[in-house]
Amino acid sequence: QVHLQESGPGLVKPSETLSLSCTVSGGSISSYYWNWIRQAPGKGLEWVGFMHIRGNNDYNPSLKSRVAISLDTSKNQFSLKLTSVTAADTAIYYCARDPVGGGVLDVWGQGTLVTVSS
Amino acid sequence: AIQITQSPSSVSASTGDRVTVTCRASRSVGTYLAWYQQKPGEAPKLLISGASALHSGGPLRFSGSGSGADFTLTISRLQAEDSATYYCHQYYDFPYTFGGGTRVEIK
Repeated sequence: QVHLQESGPGLVKPSETLSLSCTVSGGSISSYYWNWIRQAPGKGLEWVGFMHIRGNNDYNPSLKSRVAISLDTSKNQFSLKLTSVTAADTAIYYCARDPVGGGVLDVWGQGTLVTVSS
Repeated sequence: AIQITQSPSSVSASTGDRVTVTCRASRSVGTYLAWYQQKPGEAPKLLISGASALHSGGPLRFSGSGSGADFTLTISRLQAEDSATYYCHQYYDFPYTFGGGTRVEIK
């Protein structure tokens, strides 16, 4: 059974880059589609983007110029980088699996809170 | 982006009651709609995909219906453990978008 675990700094300064990783266990990162979703405190869900090992990817236009998702097959991890962060980027960040590339998110990590503050 | 309007934003019901949550998309998404359950402090959990297909392990009291732009999640007999926030999610087109959520409380 696939398990996902997010990791990364819980505090990032404004204008700096948010970097998170998601470690995949119980399955190969080469087999599925990998997503990031975020949730501002007390708010709803916002899809950030996805990546596949073949290079297919897409990002939310609201973040497109600042966001990048990459895969590291040697570590069975995928990562999120979000540049030039502001307080509006404060959120719980979840990684999630799409098993077939259809868009359904069937496995989620527990989430990690990232606060943007000086 | 496809906007999704979810209603109600919250509902309070007694155990054994039937609860209905609706989502309306700003344009047709076919049946490319999923429902997730999120309990406080936890990640969302997939309940239904393809508008009506119950995910493996999901309780049979949960059902989904609809197509096009209008969708419904029904809890046939509310249980205490169903206290959570429910989100619909369209995956017909990028960017994927979610409804605003419905908080289900037990009276």
